[in-house]
Amino acid sequence: NAGVTQTPKFRVLKTGQSMTLLCAQDMNHEYMYWYRQDPGMGLRLIHYSVGEGTTAKGEVPDGYNVSRLKKQNFLLGLESAAPSQTSVYFCASSDPYEQYFGPGTRLTVT
Amino acid sequence: AQSVTQPDIHITVSEGASLELRCNYSYGATPYLFWYVQSPGQGLQLLLKYFSGDTLVQGIKGFEAEFKRSQSSFNLRKPSVHWSDAAEYFCAVGTQGGSEKLVFGKGTKLTVNP
Repeated sequence: NAGVTQTPKFRVLKTGQSMTLLCAQDMNHEYMYWYRQDPGMGLRLIHYSVGEGTTAKGEVPDGYNVSRLKKQNFLLGLESAAPSQTSVYFCASSDPYEQYFGPGTRLTVT
Repeated sequence: AQSVTQPDIHITVSEGASLELRCNYSYGATPYLFWYVQSPGQGLQLLLKYFSGDTLVQGIKGFEAEFKRSQSSFNLRKPSVHWSDAAEYFCAVGTQGGSEKLVFGKGTKLTVNP
């Protein structure tokens, strides 16, 4: 089992560009999450999904969109990137007892 | 609103010394509590969790944590720290039961001196 994988691992964008981060899990989990991690801020929830075809806002959803067309995939989109979105992005999926995290994507917006 | 406080941003200990990382939570119902560890450049890995029962829980890598309801605390301990324990540690509380919708503390960075 690969667990939770994220693509890409690194990305540099210019302000105003768009991109999509892909998260995939092979554990048949219903719940999936996108977090951002900034120094001294811990992990903050951007959006999450409780099953295929569903999405919901987390703590810091502005500037991001998500889609969950297939149970195993959860996509995070930035339509018009801003320097404030420079961060490390983590995807996770969960069973009732544990959240499992991907390795992260480091995004820099210049 | 649910919240988690980790009072120590950075802790430095010598290898072989004991360790205690503090975590306080604010949650009205029975809490589901977690400790995760993040090594540099890596994702988060679960160390241990408390759902119910024995308030002293054992985890991986020789870590343990004690749930104290009266103090709203879930402190992480290790009797003898190894250089490989250098990492960032996050406490989290589950807000909808179990591991769904966790609220994380801001983390404590552990440095281990030889």
